[in-house]
Amino acid sequence: KQEVTQIPAALSVPEGENLVLNCSFTDSAIYNLQWFRQDPGKGLTSLLLIQSSQREQTSGRLNASLDKSSGRSTLYIAASQPGDSATYLCAVDGSGNTPLVFGKGTRLSVIA
Amino acid sequence: IAGITQAPTSQILAAGRRMTLRCTQDMRHNAMYWYRQDLGLGLRLIHYSNTAGTTGKGEVPDGYSVSRANTDDFPLTLASAVPSQTSVYFCASRRNYNSPLHFGNGTRLTVT
Repeated sequence: KQEVTQIPAALSVPEGENLVLNCSFTDSAIYNLQWFRQDPGKGLTSLLLIQSSQREQTSGRLNASLDKSSGRSTLYIAASQPGDSATYLCAVDGSGNTPLVFGKGTRLSVIA
Repeated sequence: IAGITQAPTSQILAAGRRMTLRCTQDMRHNAMYWYRQDLGLGLRLIHYSNTAGTTGKGEVPDGYSVSRANTDDFPLTLASAVPSQTSVYFCASRRNYNSPLHFGNGTRLTVT
């Protein structure tokens, strides 16, 4: 059974700092991995999707990497801003039509 | 604006009552999902549907049922609500397994 772990559970950084969020998964046979953002009281918003054949994806100040063999992904946020404060979740897709398995998220606070 | 609509936004329900949470998407996505999100437990899959006319059980299906009569709608029914079903419920959809997952804004349900 696929298990997804995100460490740390919470992180607080000063504005302007570059930071890395970590995601690990137990079964490397994945189709893709997605990173999401969740603001309080809201649903999740997809940030980046990395196919299993890819090593990384970039969107603006966000860069996500994938190392299938080691069961790890990282989300790099450059020049963090208070507006980046949210919970970030990763999820893996294990096979064609089975649903994603989610980590419990990292709650990020960027202090002005 | 294209997306997922969930209703109601919130509900307080007496134990033993029947309740249907509504979910409609206008993106013509094939797959739809129901998750519940609880503090400390993260997102857990209740039921899913890979295409209209088919449904499947997720991690925590007991006490819930779903139907998928058409592409757009995926209602979740609690036949006889119990306090342990107090949670925030999210509906999600995606075009296929290599597409980003889209979420609604959730229904906050309290069973008393």
